[in-house]
Amino acid sequence: DVKVTQSSRYLVKRTGEKVFLECVQDMDHENMFWYRQDPGLGLRLIYFSYDVKMKEKGDIPEGYSVSREKKERFSLILESASTNQTSMYLCASSFDRAGGNEQFFGPGTRLTVL
Amino acid sequence: QQPVQSPQAVILREGEDAVINCSSSKALYSVHWYRQKHGEAPVFLMILLKGGEQKGHDKISASFNEKKQQSSLYLTASQLSYSGTYFCGTGSYGGSQGNLIFGKGTKLSVKP
Repeated sequence: DVKVTQSSRYLVKRTGEKVFLECVQDMDHENMFWYRQDPGLGLRLIYFSYDVKMKEKGDIPEGYSVSREKKERFSLILESASTNQTSMYLCASSFDRAGGNEQFFGPGTRLTVL
Repeated sequence: QQPVQSPQAVILREGEDAVINCSSSKALYSVHWYRQKHGEAPVFLMILLKGGEQKGHDKISASFNEKKQQSSLYLTASQLSYSGTYFCGTGSYGGSQGNLIFGKGTKLSVKP
């Protein structure tokens, strides 16, 4: 079974803290994604990566950065957490193929910034 | 720009049918459908890659009208297990391969 794991299910941080969210997949997928999910807004793409050390901005990259040093691991970094970054964060991965790229999602990290 | 899903929410009795629509302002080459149960991660249902393609998955099927930039998800003879939020994700020409834009979701509740 494809497995996408995220480092924490719940996280509470203070405003201004640096926050790291980790995601690991075990299927040798080329693509990895970070989304945030807020009620009524669906899934919004923050960043994605199609190869090691490669990254592209999604729809809402402001206030976030990412790191992909190894193929299986994709980290989301909040340089200075703010209360409006309180949200559910979902990581996903997929193969990179023209025939269709089913995304496999991790369980999510619910981040609260106080 | 996010695709528009309709309706936003629907309540069904077991055995009833439902249709969820997904409409984009961009030319599409793929549409994905996912279901998310409360407190869980989204789970893949199906991908549609060609204009006019229809795919089925048990009693859940979908169509893709490339010309109209629309997809519809059909749930027939609904079961309690169908409850959840359904998201369409669209891949558009000019976008990066593998990158999807998701709609805001349609919440489906199936009652006994």
